[in-house]
Amino acid sequence: QVQLVQSGGGGVQPGRSLRLSCVASGFTFSTYGMHWVRQAPGKGLEWVAFIWYDGSRKDYADSVTGRFIVSRDNSKNTLYLQLNSLRAEDTAVYYCAGDPPNSGFAFASWGQGAPVTVSS
Amino acid sequence: SVLTQPPSVSAAPGQKVTISCSGSSSNIGNNYVSWYQQLPGIAPKLLISENNKRPSGIPDRFSGSKSGTSATLDITGLQTGDEADYYCGTWDSSLIAYVFGIGTKVTVL
Repeated sequence: QVQLVQSGGGGVQPGRSLRLSCVASGFTFSTYGMHWVRQAPGKGLEWVAFIWYDGSRKDYADSVTGRFIVSRDNSKNTLYLQLNSLRAEDTAVYYCAGDPPNSGFAFASWGQGAPVTVSS
Repeated sequence: SVLTQPPSVSAAPGQKVTISCSGSSSNIGNNYVSWYQQLPGIAPKLLISENNKRPSGIPDRFSGSKSGTSATLDITGLQTGDEADYYCGTWDSSLIAYVFGIGTKVTVL
């Protein structure tokens, strides 16, 4: 079955870095666009970043542009999010989500979430 | 938020609720809308894609529609298990970003 398994969350001090991973199985990862979405405590969903199926295009939310980097390794069925220059307001649960081809940006599958806490 | 949803809706078991999602020509007006259900403490789940398509396994009690710059999610035959937060989402061609509504909390009375 379709599965996205995340790892890499945790606590970090402001200004430091963290890398999140998302390993896909049960579908052809190399054909899916992939997104990162986050949810701050008690808040709604916030889209963070998107990477095309082949990595040729990447888009970011204004709140993370220049600090976060999305990447993928299709040979390892793995999506990454590098979080740099972290701020307290980046504290959230981070989800990876799969966007099937020709679905019009529908997040059909989700990881279990990785909590990131930025605090001194 | 770029997309406007009511913060909450409620109804008795077996009744119907309607959740609206209002946007603009740069998002809903020219892109597909999806709807997501988030039960407390777990990851969201796709309910509706491409305005009105249900993924496999989603009951036909859930239906979506779109007209102009607004979209709607209907839930009929409301059940206690439907208590959750519901989010609309779509691509915004001007922002070059995916946008979510603020979320609507559904309460079964």
